[in-house]
Amino acid sequence: DGGITQSPKYLFRKEGQNVTLSCEQNLNHDAMYWYRQDPGQGLRLIYYSQIVNDFQKGDIAEGYSVSREKKESFPLTVTSAQKNPTAFYLCASRERGGDEQFFGPGTRLTVL
Amino acid sequence: SQQGEEDPQALSIQEGENATMNCSYKTSINNLQWYRQNSGRGLVHLILIRSNEREKHSGRLRVTLDTSKKSSSLLITASRAADTASYFCATVRPTDSWGKLQFGAGTQVVVTP
Repeated sequence: DGGITQSPKYLFRKEGQNVTLSCEQNLNHDAMYWYRQDPGQGLRLIYYSQIVNDFQKGDIAEGYSVSREKKESFPLTVTSAQKNPTAFYLCASRERGGDEQFFGPGTRLTVL
Repeated sequence: SQQGEEDPQALSIQEGENATMNCSYKTSINNLQWYRQNSGRGLVHLILIRSNEREKHSGRLRVTLDTSKKSSSLLITASRAADTASYFCATVRPTDSWGKLQFGAGTQVVVTP
């Protein structure tokens, strides 16, 4: 069963703690993306990766970091430098040459 | 930055009626895509229209694109309760070689039985 998985579904953290969100895909897609969604708003791009060991900042990268050591994995770390991290985080992937992005189910992060 | 703006922000209709939502964008595009999001879930791709196309159909969906007005519309015909969701337009600019999507804020559609 191909697709994108994100874990955990819900995440609670205290202020000042770093937290890592997992994103895995078995679609053999080259490109992967992280988006942030706030209530009643559209998605904003945090980071994207075109290929293993390469990634680029999106529109709101401050306070976030990523790695792309394997083609199927693109974890996102929300650092203590992110001033307002409570949000819904979505991971997506896209095959080389394709237009459609395939999304995971999302992780809802709440910082207490 | 948000490239697209959807209108209306919210739409409430009864089953069997048609639902129309609009999207306006600011810069030139390569293509425009519509996605659907059920509450608390990921997005699902619905349909894509390229800058040289004016209209596309997929099942009960009809999308139009007017590049001179920088706008698109999504029509859902004969709506069902299961169509209740948020709908987002997303654009890809010619300069974004790796398919970066610029999303609008979405239209929340509620279909009552």
